[in-house]
Amino acid sequence: GENVEQHPSTLSVQEGDSAVIKCTYSDSASNYFPWYKQELGKRPQLIIDIRSNVGEKKDQRIAVTLNKTAKHFSLHITETQPEDSAVYFCAAGEGGADGLTFGKGTHLIIQP
Amino acid sequence: ETGVTQSPTHLIKTRGQQVTLRCSSQSGHNTVSWYQQALGQGPQFIFQYYREEENGRGNFPPRFSGLQFPNYSSELNVNALELDDSALYLCASSLGRGDYEQYFGPGTRLTVT
Repeated sequence: GENVEQHPSTLSVQEGDSAVIKCTYSDSASNYFPWYKQELGKRPQLIIDIRSNVGEKKDQRIAVTLNKTAKHFSLHITETQPEDSAVYFCAAGEGGADGLTFGKGTHLIIQP
Repeated sequence: ETGVTQSPTHLIKTRGQQVTLRCSSQSGHNTVSWYQQALGQGPQFIFQYYREEENGRGNFPPRFSGLQFPNYSSELNVNALELDDSALYLCASSLGRGDYEQYFGPGTRLTVT
């Protein structure tokens, strides 16, 4: 089955700086790569996703890049703000019946 | 707000008991997936229901079972509870079986003592 590795487990950055979280996956059949943000005690919230036919996708301060050859994808957050503090999860899937395989999460801390 | 709801919010059970958790999918979504999230871990896929049938299953034993109803709401049943079943149980709905985006509910926190 699919295996997703996520790094780092904790990331502390100064407010206004950029943050990058990296994930690798093992199953070359995976073609969908979402990122979720989970604040303490709340549900995972889908913030951005990318499909295998695209190399990069941007949404305001958030971007995701995908390298299918190397089987890795990354989340980039620019101009970080205090409300970006949360746990971020990457995931991989083929879409549909097999569900999503999640990484173990990155605790992002924005220092004022 | 995503529209996926779950009940109850919290639950405490004793080892060996049985539990039923409930999920109402977002309006227009006919597919529900269930995940188990242990403390400090990412969600783990349990199974998915599409049009009242189990459509896919992760690496969970048969004592984890489910149902989906004609209105697309769903139940997760866990028999013979073990201490390791203590976790946050999340359901996620999606537009269809082949649709990618999954939107999560707030979860049910299950504690087994």
